[in-house]
Amino acid sequence: GENVEQHPSTLSVQEGDSAVIKCTYSDSASNYFPWYKQELGKGPQLIIDIRSNVGEKKDQRIAVTLNKTAKHFSLHITETQPEDSAVYFCAASSAAGNKLTFGGGTRVLVKP
Amino acid sequence: EAQVTQNPRYLITVTGKKLTVTCSQNMNHEYMSWYRQDPGLGLRQIYYSMNVEVTDKGDVPEGYKVSRKEKRNFPLILESPSPNQTSLYFCASSLSRRSYNSPLHFGNGTRLTVT
Repeated sequence: GENVEQHPSTLSVQEGDSAVIKCTYSDSASNYFPWYKQELGKGPQLIIDIRSNVGEKKDQRIAVTLNKTAKHFSLHITETQPEDSAVYFCAASSAAGNKLTFGGGTRVLVKP
Repeated sequence: EAQVTQNPRYLITVTGKKLTVTCSQNMNHEYMSWYRQDPGLGLRQIYYSMNVEVTDKGDVPEGYKVSRKEKRNFPLILESPSPNQTSLYFCASSLSRRSYNSPLHFGNGTRLTVT
């Protein structure tokens, strides 16, 4: 089955700096890669996603890149703010679309 | 308000005592799923359902049961809980049966402790 690895497990950045989280996946047939943000005491919430026919996608301060050949994708957060502090999960969808496999999560702390 | 509601939020129980965690969604979603979250392991899928009366095993189904008798409800049943089932559990739903067509909406979680 699919295996998704996520690094780093924790990330501490100064407010205003950039944060980058990287994920690799094992199934070359995977075709959809969402990112979820989990705030304290809440369930994860979708923040951005990318499909296998696209190399990069941006939404204000966040962007995702996908390298299908290398089977890795990354989340970039620019100009980090305290409210960006959370746990972030990457995921990969099976080609059949019947399941998402999540990475181990990255705890991001933005220091003011 | 569109939401996924799980109950209870916190549950402490003893080994072997059957329990049920309820999950309900008010968005008429087709797809529902249960995940457990453990440090460093991310979210692992327990069971999922793509339709009423249709359920399938995820990656870690051992020790759990589910049912989907109605579209809105998807309870998680632990017939004989053990300490290794101590975890944070999330129910999620999605409009589409295919994960690449619509996002997952998660509940706020149930923290279960089995002593």
